[in-house]
Amino acid sequence: DTAVSQTPKYLVTQMGNDKSIKCEQNLGHDTMYWYKQDSKKFLKIMFSYNNKELIINETVPNRFSPKSPDKAHLNLHINSLELGDSAVYFCASSQHFGSTGLSGNTIYFGEGSWLTVV
Amino acid sequence: GQSLEQPSEVTAVEGAIVQINCTYQTSGFYGLSWYQQHDGGAPTFLSYNALDGLEETGRFSSFLSRSDSYGYLLLQELQMKDSASYFCAPGGGNMLTFGGGTRLMVKP
Repeated sequence: DTAVSQTPKYLVTQMGNDKSIKCEQNLGHDTMYWYKQDSKKFLKIMFSYNNKELIINETVPNRFSPKSPDKAHLNLHINSLELGDSAVYFCASSQHFGSTGLSGNTIYFGEGSWLTVV
Repeated sequence: GQSLEQPSEVTAVEGAIVQINCTYQTSGFYGLSWYQQHDGGAPTFLSYNALDGLEETGRFSSFLSRSDSYGYLLLQELQMKDSASYFCAPGGGNMLTFGGGTRLMVKP
């Protein structure tokens, strides 16, 4: 069973279009994330939701809008796509938000969505 | 503020030992995680250090010195399948910070 699944895996679209990436986790986790990984492999957090509430919103253009209908789902909608949005977008989840000290807080990543804007 | 430094690339031969260093600066630090990512794949958890010292998991070990804001990942008996990117991720302020990772290339 896939723990964190996201669709689509590959997406090629034209500049100016609007697209969505869907994500679901079946781990029963409270916290979900969206990360962006650029061509240089730099992995950067975009958003984090805890029990459907937005708790982290890094400096991301407001063309990016996350939506969490329930704590098992976190979708990402992108308006007016630009060339610079081309990247791999990873959905992820963790049992809770933050650390519980000695045990840390393992993040489980989906397989990624390869977005290419042409 | 937050900062993170690790080498961008390391090359080693099969069977060797390699150490990937990580220095960080983050507020509210609570521990250091390491993740592995193969090309085309997702990052996967390797290890976590909350306390100073060495944690061993099979061929991989991870070390943390909180006072030096420094850690490393030690990979022993390198295998070709260890070729991947390795991310250190300091935890602080309730979140992990990832960077560009270290690309490890293992040669025969």
